[in-house]
Amino acid sequence: RKEVEQDPGPFNVPEGATVAFNCTYSNSASQSFFWYRQDCRKEPKLLMSVYSSGNEDGRFTAQLNRASQYISLLIRDSKLSDSATYLCVVGGTYKYIFGTGTRLKVLA
Amino acid sequence: DGGITQSPKYLFRKEGQNVTLSCEQNLNHDAMYWYRQDPGQGLRLIYYSQIVNDFQKGDIAEGYSVSREKKESFPLTVTSAQKNPTAFYLCATGQTMNTEAFFGQGTRLTVV
Repeated sequence: RKEVEQDPGPFNVPEGATVAFNCTYSNSASQSFFWYRQDCRKEPKLLMSVYSSGNEDGRFTAQLNRASQYISLLIRDSKLSDSATYLCVVGGTYKYIFGTGTRLKVLA
Repeated sequence: DGGITQSPKYLFRKEGQNVTLSCEQNLNHDAMYWYRQDPGQGLRLIYYSQIVNDFQKGDIAEGYSVSREKKESFPLTVTSAQKNPTAFYLCATGQTMNTEAFFGQGTRLTVV
């Protein structure tokens, strides 16, 4: 089993749609969780950290479920500019572990 | 400006040649990381360093070497032993494992 698993997609959604991504992790001792966004041929950039109580930033909401060992990202009112790959990242003891990413394409 | 600088942005290597990728940071972060990304793939950890003069192999260290003589610098050498070096190489830093990683803009290495 991979340490961090994501559905690779692609998710093709119309503008204005709500879309959700899930990510599962294998190490129950993991302490930190993040969602990154990566545009084609660019470096990953932090979208948001994921806190135990859940957190929201504008159209984006992240949730953590420790019991089931997954994190989620919800994007409301999708924009064309949201088209990218979304990476789930888990902080291990000494390193960050990345999922392979979920591709999102928002269609006009 | 605070941040991470990787150079060069594009690098071409001949078969059998060693090349060194530069990564410099002025964020005063202790931890530094090298990742490799292949087309359509996730990031795979090559080497990481938690502190100056110490570094550890990641998941795919064969054919690579690093040094960490200064806090600000973590260069990666791609040796001739790396059989398939064409990839996008990303350097990252972190303050603690509970805070996010910051990335440089990457170096795209191509074997010609």
